[in-house]
Amino acid sequence: EVQLLESGGGTVQPGGSLRLSCATSGFGFYFSTYAMAWVRQAPGKGLEWVSVISDGGGNTYYADSVKGRFTVSRDNLKDTVYLQMNSLRVEDTAVYYCAKVLRDTTDPFHVWGQGTKVTVSS
Amino acid sequence: DIQMTQSPPTLSASVGDRVTITCRASQSLSSWLAWYQQKPGKAPKLLIYRASTLESGVPSRFSGSGSGTEFTLTISSLQPDDFATYYCQQYNSYSWTFGQGTKVEIK
Repeated sequence: EVQLLESGGGTVQPGGSLRLSCATSGFGFYFSTYAMAWVRQAPGKGLEWVSVISDGGGNTYYADSVKGRFTVSRDNLKDTVYLQMNSLRVEDTAVYYCAKVLRDTTDPFHVWGQGTKVTVSS
Repeated sequence: DIQMTQSPPTLSASVGDRVTITCRASQSLSSWLAWYQQKPGKAPKLLIYRASTLESGVPSRFSGSGSGTEFTLTISSLQPDDFATYYCQQYNSYSWTFGQGTKVEIK
């Protein structure tokens, strides 16, 4: 059974940085064959897609709201995905979820972690 | 960017009711539409993908239909475990957009 565990959330001032990690298990040898995603949810709000990284890491996709500030990466030897968040804004406050795509890079999100909370506040 | 509009935002229903949620896209998606269920404090759960394909383990009372720009999620007989918020999501051409959500409440 695939499991995802996010970490790295916390409270940071506007303009600051955080790096989120998503450690995975249960993929066997196949982590490197799946694209991975980050999705966030602001308090009391709906879901917002943030980023997707392809299986090999060579292709990355971002929502306009984070483009140029966030960087997604992965380490296929450690079965881990990262989200580097720079120039954080108050509106980036949210629970950040890591998710595995169903099959292909363009697919919906099949397995989700429990989320890590990010608060941007002065 | 593709915009997704869900209706209604809130739905009050009783156990046993047939419930329908609608999702409209600002441009054609073919069948690249998924539905998720989310309960308070929990991660979303994939219910349906490709507009009508039931994810493994999801009860058969859930069904999806539609193509192009209009889609529906139907719960044929609402159960106590189904009170939650439901989101549609388009996944077309390297962009992923969620609807605003529909909260299904106990009547």
